[in-house]
Amino acid sequence: KAGVTQTPRYLIKTRGQQVTLSCSPISGHRSVSWYQQTPGQGLQFLFEYFSETQRNKGNFPGRFSGRQFSNSRSEMNVSTLELGDSALYLCASSSQGPGYEQYFGPGTRLTVT
Amino acid sequence: QKEVEQNSGPLSVPEGAIASLNCTYSDRGSQSFFWYRQYSGKSPELIMFIYSNGDKEDGRFTAQLNKASQYVSLLIRDSQPSDSATYLCAVKDDYKLSFGAGTTVTVRA
Repeated sequence: KAGVTQTPRYLIKTRGQQVTLSCSPISGHRSVSWYQQTPGQGLQFLFEYFSETQRNKGNFPGRFSGRQFSNSRSEMNVSTLELGDSALYLCASSSQGPGYEQYFGPGTRLTVT
Repeated sequence: QKEVEQNSGPLSVPEGAIASLNCTYSDRGSQSFFWYRQYSGKSPELIMFIYSNGDKEDGRFTAQLNKASQYVSLLIRDSQPSDSATYLCAVKDDYKLSFGAGTTVTVRA
């Protein structure tokens, strides 16, 4: 079975721009969660989607948004980028949600200059 | 107040020894617990999960859960240089996983 895929793997953007990241979960998995990882804050939860519905959202500003499509693929968008948004963005898929085994993709490394 | 706390590292162990990693959590209602391994520059990899009190063994890894004490641990037996990584404890909290800061383990030959 193929693992979780994320595109792009690396991204360099300028302050004020917006960015869209994509995640394809493991086949058959309906839950996709997004996390931000930085050296200072560690792994922080952004949001979780299950069958196209956002079930939970972390403590991030409204500039961070996401969605999930009927095929379970998910995207997250960050608008008006700030320097502090530079991070590794990880998505994780699970069959039912975070209470079950959750598998991470390789991540998207975002650098904001 | 942090929800998931891990013992501070780094932890250095000789090859062949047992590495012991500890994690405490604040939500008494938590039911699902996970250990991830993260190599430098890579994404976290799920290595163990445990849902019931007691021990769970998988190869050289043993996870131990004590819900009364709100404590979960990971033992790595016969540590190998390839075990050198950061180990993250994760606890299910509502519809998300809360992660500890991680413990960096170095296995010295």
